[in-house]
Amino acid sequence: AQTVTQSQPEMSVQEAETVTLSCTYDTSESDYYLFWYKQPPSRQMILVIRQEAYKQQNATENRFSVNFQKAAKSFSLKISDSQLGDAAMYFCAGKGEYGNKLVFGAGTILRVKS
Amino acid sequence: GAVVSQHPSRVICKSGTSVKIECRSLDFQATTMFWYRQFPKQSLMLMATSNEGSKATYEQGVEKDKFLINHASLTLSTLTVTSAHPEDSSFYICSARDRQGNQPQHFGDGTRLSIL
Repeated sequence: AQTVTQSQPEMSVQEAETVTLSCTYDTSESDYYLFWYKQPPSRQMILVIRQEAYKQQNATENRFSVNFQKAAKSFSLKISDSQLGDAAMYFCAGKGEYGNKLVFGAGTILRVKS
Repeated sequence: GAVVSQHPSRVICKSGTSVKIECRSLDFQATTMFWYRQFPKQSLMLMATSNEGSKATYEQGVEKDKFLINHASLTLSTLTVTSAHPEDSSFYICSARDRQGNQPQHFGDGTRLSIL
């Protein structure tokens, strides 16, 4: 079984500042994939970043980076230089190597203050 | 990049009507498609997984006779909400994954269903 937990229902950040969204997971598989998705008010699901568990290097996509701690089963998302357009619901998700399904966390609403 | 088209984006209809939602992969072959339901400010709840040419696999608690899924080709899956009632009002999202299982799922833009 695989579970994904996001313990922060809401977060706020000042424009241009940095914010970190938390995610922990549990899985019995030795290899798996982790993702962060962004869902703005339009409700479109946008892939922000992905991480393969076998890679030790943390994934980075421009202002978005992850802190992947495999032993602690933690996968946090850091957003640097926050912009108003970053305001959205963020979902952490995971998928086993042989599993078919994406398992989503409950989501974190991120508000960006100008 | 890979694109998934979902249609219609918005449906408003009377109670008792059956509603069909289409999900198409536009530039890749989707052997597997997923259907999710999402309530406001909540996470995506997987309803069923459909594989091309075979019966869909439904999650526990999802009525297969209520939510009919057809995946007749590698680029099209449909979800039909039969005899819809107000409690079926929700946001429905499809996603598709290509033949390479380790690729992320690509999502449609969703369908907002309102049953009066």
